[in-house]
Amino acid sequence: GAVVSQHPSWVICKSGTSVKIECRSLDFQATTMFWYRQFPKQSLMLMATSNEGSKATYEQGVEKDKFLINHASLTLSTLTVTSAHPEDSSFYICSAPPSRYTGELFFGEGSRLTVL
Amino acid sequence: AQTVTQSQPEMSVQEAETVTLSCTYDTSESDYYLFWYKQPPSRQMILVIRQEAYKQQNATENRFSVNFQKAAKSFSLKISDSQLGDAAMYFCAYRSLHSGNTPLVFGKGTRLSVIA
Repeated sequence: GAVVSQHPSWVICKSGTSVKIECRSLDFQATTMFWYRQFPKQSLMLMATSNEGSKATYEQGVEKDKFLINHASLTLSTLTVTSAHPEDSSFYICSAPPSRYTGELFFGEGSRLTVL
Repeated sequence: AQTVTQSQPEMSVQEAETVTLSCTYDTSESDYYLFWYKQPPSRQMILVIRQEAYKQQNATENRFSVNFQKAAKSFSLKISDSQLGDAAMYFCAYRSLHSGNTPLVFGKGTRLSVIA
């Protein structure tokens, strides 16, 4: 079945540095990927929609200069948290629809970011 | 915009018993998908069950079944013969069918505990 792989699973960084999270569709092409953020004991909140070959669409309140999204190919989307601060610490999850439209989204394993 | 409401932050069930998780949603669309996703402590999102709005028949997947009431915009999940491995966060989610690749809209989730 369709698999989405996300890397890294865990990352700890110092305040002020940038962190890149990769999301890959392993056995299908994804022209669109979605990035969600999840705070502890809360639901998934959509941050942005990543579109291959064009700019990402950000949800209201999400800083596009802070969270840079690049959909470099049909199988790879990256989220870069720039100049990270402790308040950016969170769980980030990517997802993508499989090629055959079944309605569901497949999710990556998620990336836990801790900013010291 | 569509919204999904889960009114039960926490539920518990005895092992082998049956539990029902509630979900209501709001939409002006007639065609859409509804889902229940499970998020265990690993935080990997796992699809439990899917319902197409145009289908009147309630979806069933082994011990999991839904009660889909389209007019009432209600979509509850019933777990029969509960097992310890069912303990997790459960998210109800909506996905539009209309406009290309759309994201999932999640409810706030219900934390299910299974008591041995």
